[in-house]
Amino acid sequence: TQLLEQSPQFLSIQEGENLTVYCNSSSVFSSLQWYRQEPGEGPVLLVTVVTGGEVKKLKRLTFQFGDARKDSSLHITAAQPGDTGLYLCAGSLYNQGGKLIFGQGTELSVKP
Amino acid sequence: AAGVIQSPRHLIKEKRETATLKCYPIPRHDTVYWYQQGPGQDPQFLISFYEKMQSDKGSIPDRFSAQQFSDYHSELNMSSLELGDSALYFCASSSPPGDEQYFGPGTRLTVT
Repeated sequence: TQLLEQSPQFLSIQEGENLTVYCNSSSVFSSLQWYRQEPGEGPVLLVTVVTGGEVKKLKRLTFQFGDARKDSSLHITAAQPGDTGLYLCAGSLYNQGGKLIFGQGTELSVKP
Repeated sequence: AAGVIQSPRHLIKEKRETATLKCYPIPRHDTVYWYQQGPGQDPQFLISFYEKMQSDKGSIPDRFSAQQFSDYHSELNMSSLELGDSALYFCASSSPPGDEQYFGPGTRLTVT
């Protein structure tokens, strides 16, 4: 059973389209992090959200943490081929020493 | 800025051999996490250390052990290797525990 459900797992879109990736759980997280991972490389941290309802923007990427701290979303506006990659959400539960629980990942392909 | 360093980047071992993976955290980071990522899988937490003491343990086989040294680097020792141990092994560091985790480039272990 996946504690953090990420969807969709695969997404293929055209350049210029918008997209949203979701991470959902029945558990409450103290924080949630979004990573991007290239094949064979380590995950690269994009953003950390820690406050319920928090919204953070990173250029064309918008990250939101749900009010109840059980879910998060990543929205990309006007996707570009350079956005192609694997996006992972990862949450940290309270009093768990900070270990990360990962979602299944979203493999995004943006076609020119 | 300095990042997490892992060595070696690639390792090929035969069944029943042993392997040692090393991780050098970001300077002044006192917490190290180890994750295992199988092909097409999300990273799974193995073990973590804070101030040279084991702080949490996940799905780490008894054949594996790890420690954190006085300079905060960590080593993951793997014995009696099995084919199923073939995976990417990532180290991440943070300060303090529960704060943002930064991942190293990983060690790709192949057991033949």
